[in-house]
Amino acid sequence: ETGVTQSPTHLIKTRGQQVTLRCSSQSGHNTVSWYQQALGQGPQFIFQYYREEENGRGNFPPRFSGLQFPNYSSELNVNALELDDSALYLCASSSDLGIGELFFGEGSRLTVL
Amino acid sequence: QKEVEQNSGPLSVPEGAIASLNCTYSDRGSQSFFWYRQYSGKSPELIMFIYSNGDKEDGRFTAQLNKASQYVSLLIRDSQPSDSATYLCAVRSNSGYALNFGKGTSLLVTP
Repeated sequence: ETGVTQSPTHLIKTRGQQVTLRCSSQSGHNTVSWYQQALGQGPQFIFQYYREEENGRGNFPPRFSGLQFPNYSSELNVNALELDDSALYLCASSSDLGIGELFFGEGSRLTVL
Repeated sequence: QKEVEQNSGPLSVPEGAIASLNCTYSDRGSQSFFWYRQYSGKSPELIMFIYSNGDKEDGRFTAQLNKASQYVSLLIRDSQPSDSATYLCAVRSNSGYALNFGKGTSLLVTP
């Protein structure tokens, strides 16, 4: 149990729709990172938020966007869903700009039909 | 492209044996190295991290790092069926915050 909670745990969407995934960071952590894990692959870095600002981004298009709130919880938004967006979306929080160990939440499994 | 390579397996070992999992990386600027265990349908769970060359032991697990050869390995002693999972190697460079993951090695420990 890492203290990082994500919701929803599972959801199904259709192509073209939009989705919002949520993450509550562990108490005392001010940095949240999001990763996408497709079936059979390792997690891929989407972006990181530190004190409500995006401070790092992976190779994902602008339709992947996020927010971090004053309580350090975070949202991942994906617009214009594509079939290849089907994946496990993982949130991780840390207290040091993400330079230490990352502890993941249980993930949100998104299926796009 | 900064690569982290792992043999996908499956690696099969008998119960009680030593399992050896290997990982190579391409970015010489990498500074932090992590091993995660992931059970099917679950999220990755941190097992160990290592920053310096040499060995680091934690219970049945030993991480080994050789920066000159750009490889990191994980040894699991006295392997148990409950160790059966996918093991992900992750690397962080000195210039960023993101973890760069390999595709993972599937380990099967047979009774």
